[in-house]
Amino acid sequence: GAVVSQHPSRVICKSGTSVKIECRSLDFQATTMFWYRQFPKQSLMLMATSNEGSKATYEQGVEKDKFLINHASLTLSTLTVTSAHPEDSSFYICSARPLPPSGRYNEQFFGPGTRLTVL
Amino acid sequence: AQKVTQAQTEISVVEKEDVTLDCVYETRDTTYYLFWYKQPPSGELVFLIRRNSFDEQNEISGRYSWNFQKSTSSFNFTITASQVVDSAVYFCALSEGGGSNYKLTFGKGTLLTVNP
Repeated sequence: GAVVSQHPSRVICKSGTSVKIECRSLDFQATTMFWYRQFPKQSLMLMATSNEGSKATYEQGVEKDKFLINHASLTLSTLTVTSAHPEDSSFYICSARPLPPSGRYNEQFFGPGTRLTVL
Repeated sequence: AQKVTQAQTEISVVEKEDVTLDCVYETRDTTYYLFWYKQPPSGELVFLIRRNSFDEQNEISGRYSWNFQKSTSSFNFTITASQVVDSAVYFCALSEGGGSNYKLTFGKGTLLTVNP
């Protein structure tokens, strides 16, 4: 149980276009979803936290107009990278936290990641 | 603010050696959770263990063991008789209580290379 999927797993796009990444919790409902970014040989950096039905909370230094997050349901969150540029190329990972009374409500379950390359 | 330090950036061992990955954390909360994840070259994070702040018992799972010591704010991870398949980046992470939505703070990771 507690499976999280991401789609697409890999995307290549041209500079200036927008890219949408989907994150789904497949067998549980998620009260909170998180989006991370990971550059090569670096750690995961939290970009934003989103709760279903409310606006995402962005970490300091993350442009909310560039990285649009929508959390429309308890099983789906999307991250849209708008007007992508080569410096946005990175590995994007989402995670989801189960609703209580799940015994693992204080954990995050991670998706497999999406590798974005902007040409 | 919470912080996780993994001082070892890279470790290289020969197969069958034991290896310990260090993790030191900082938090002001009395309730917190510690995690270890493995990230193989494919990129997908693999959950290894969760430990809450009230449970200082050490844990063993096969070749893996964890030593949690609140007195030194450490949560070290030992692989016994390492294998080539253990080669990966290992992350230690910390989350505080519900007020923060259980946000995770990751250490910088330790790249473990096990050579045949």
